[in-house]
Amino acid sequence: GAVVSQHPSWVICKSGTSVKIECRSLDFQATTMFWYRQFPKQSLMLMATSNEGSKATYEQGVEKDKFLINHASLTLSTLTVTSAHPEDSSFYTCSASKTSGGRETQYFGPGTRLLVL
Amino acid sequence: AQKITQTQPGMFVQEKEAVTLDCTYDTSDPSYGLFWYKQPSSGEMIFLIYQGSYDQQNATEGRYSLNFQKARKSANLVISASQLGDSAMYFCAMGQDNQGGKLIFGQGTELSVKP
Repeated sequence: GAVVSQHPSWVICKSGTSVKIECRSLDFQATTMFWYRQFPKQSLMLMATSNEGSKATYEQGVEKDKFLINHASLTLSTLTVTSAHPEDSSFYTCSASKTSGGRETQYFGPGTRLLVL
Repeated sequence: AQKITQTQPGMFVQEKEAVTLDCTYDTSDPSYGLFWYKQPSSGEMIFLIYQGSYDQQNATEGRYSLNFQKARKSANLVISASQLGDSAMYFCAMGQDNQGGKLIFGQGTELSVKP
């Protein structure tokens, strides 16, 4: 199997607070995880690549000081949205890479809906 | 530059019929993989099927098959015997061996299955 969990599934917070989202690979180890953001009716936008034991690689235009990523173990990556503002409201989803038969496939978590008031 | 294009924002299909969702891609890299994901209203991206650039045969997974035409750079998804539960967004994605596993996604196609 290839199951990825994400917690919380939804969160509502006040502007200025920080929110942490966890992404776990439950039945496999993932040296690489990815974080995406998706606005309504749009495609997934890659925010960063999370590598176990090293710093995350951020895509152009993504503020690394605002979106803190930590990949502390082979089964857990966290995304912290610091000092969240209403424009950060979005659907955040993570994926974990699993290699099988020479093929690397990304398996996604169920996503986290963030609403910043 | 790498690019994935899905030209059908929305598609309708009658239950039990087959439907083809289009996907074209652009890359100069000879080694790449093409993926299709399904995203129901709950939001979770569900992996459906994979096609490698060097695969000689079209990929199949149950009711899903991939019509891979390398020369045309197209990787259309065919869903046979559509079911009501197939109603969802479908995304085509491409990954390249030299990109560390990163995927780029198309704009998506919203499929609605009619009873």
